[in-house]
Amino acid sequence: RKEVEQDPGPFNVPEGATVAFNCTYSNSASQSFFWYRQDCRKEPKLLMSVYSSGNEDGRFTAQLNRASQYISLLIRDSKLSDSATYLCVVTNSNSGYALNFGKGTSLLVTP
Amino acid sequence: GAGVSQSPRYKVAKRGQDVALRCDPISGHVSLFWYQQALGQGPEFLTYFQNEAQLDKSGLPSDRFFAERPEGSVSTLKIQRTQQEDSAVYLCASSLPGQGGTGANVLTFGAGSRLTVL
Repeated sequence: RKEVEQDPGPFNVPEGATVAFNCTYSNSASQSFFWYRQDCRKEPKLLMSVYSSGNEDGRFTAQLNRASQYISLLIRDSKLSDSATYLCVVTNSNSGYALNFGKGTSLLVTP
Repeated sequence: GAGVSQSPRYKVAKRGQDVALRCDPISGHVSLFWYQQALGQGPEFLTYFQNEAQLDKSGLPSDRFFAERPEGSVSTLKIQRTQQEDSAVYLCASSLPGQGGTGANVLTFGAGSRLTVL
């Protein structure tokens, strides 16, 4: 079983919609959590870190539930430019520095 | 340069050939990582350097894979006797070490080297 599991999608939503992605991780000792965004044939780029108290960055809200070991990302008022693959990322519980990536969830925002 | 630079961007190799992929991290970044991303998958950890020291190579899939960073800046990932299953994008990332976990794992990735083994 992979350490980080995500629904690969694709999620097809109209512009302006709200969409939510979830991800689960297997090791309760993991310490740091992130969402990265990857455009087609491009490198992953950090979208936001995920904090225990939850955090918001504009239209993006990330939540962490340590008890249930899941992380969520909510995107409000979707834009065409939000179309990408969203990677859920958890620090490797053994090393503390290496990142374990999920397979990614594909989002397509349509006009 | 301002970002992580990787070369070549694209490499086609015949099965059995050796390849070398280069990574030039952001100046001053102590930590350097190599990841392998197969089509439709997330990046998979290969190896980690702190300066010139290779602290973790647990993700290297076989002894055909070798990485080095002799002067603590540029790194090279070498794959010997390439196989078709080695076809993937090889991503290099660098980061500052950070303190107390803050920023420690915020990686900046290069554009990757896409390897196709025929």
